[in-house]
Amino acid sequence: SYVVTQPPSVSVAPGKTARMTCGGDNIGSKTVHWYQQKPPQAPVLVISYDNDRPSTIPERFSGSSSGNMATLTIRRVEAGDEADYYCQVWDSSSDQLMFGGGTKLTVL
Amino acid sequence: QVRLQQSGPGLVKPSETLSLNCSVSGGSIGSYYWSWIRQSPGKGLEWIGYIYFGGRTNYNPSLKSRVAISVDPSKNRFSLTLHSVTAADTAVYYCVREPTSHDDAYWGQGTLVSVSS
Repeated sequence: SYVVTQPPSVSVAPGKTARMTCGGDNIGSKTVHWYQQKPPQAPVLVISYDNDRPSTIPERFSGSSSGNMATLTIRRVEAGDEADYYCQVWDSSSDQLMFGGGTKLTVL
Repeated sequence: QVRLQQSGPGLVKPSETLSLNCSVSGGSIGSYYWSWIRQSPGKGLEWIGYIYFGGRTNYNPSLKSRVAISVDPSKNRFSLTLHSVTAADTAVYYCVREPTSHDDAYWGQGTLVSVSS
């Protein structure tokens, strides 16, 4: 089955850029969504279809995907961005969805 | 505004069946992917399965033998059934309308289901 890998944690200082990765075999050819979760709340979609941003999400959030890696980038990080971030991959070969293990973003 | 409202018991006995409903308001249940996703305490998100307009389903292979997702278009509602539950099935269960190229994802409020005698 398809495996999706995320680093457990990323730390960044306020005002800097955070990059969180989502690895998988040829992930650049698959559909990737990114969710932000501040427990105990439900996840919130921050990036869909690799790099589309819902209208309610700040422009500081962006996504990219190529080869074996998808990346969520948050520019000018704020304290309120501290959360767990999950990538969700749609594997067209199996027509199934799967999540990475999640990355905890800590704002120093 | 699309809204998903979950209902169902918060406590299920081991070996019994977990059943949850998700009622959709503010939009039709047709032509979308409707998923169930769960999160065990302190753990990450796990996709359980989805149902698509017309009744096509697909399930997480790790749960496929025990799970069924169904839809009732007349009630604008879809449902999750998970058989033979164990303590490992204790989790917050979410119903979700998957995002489309022109619309957001929509999540239910979540239901904590505990499996215990």
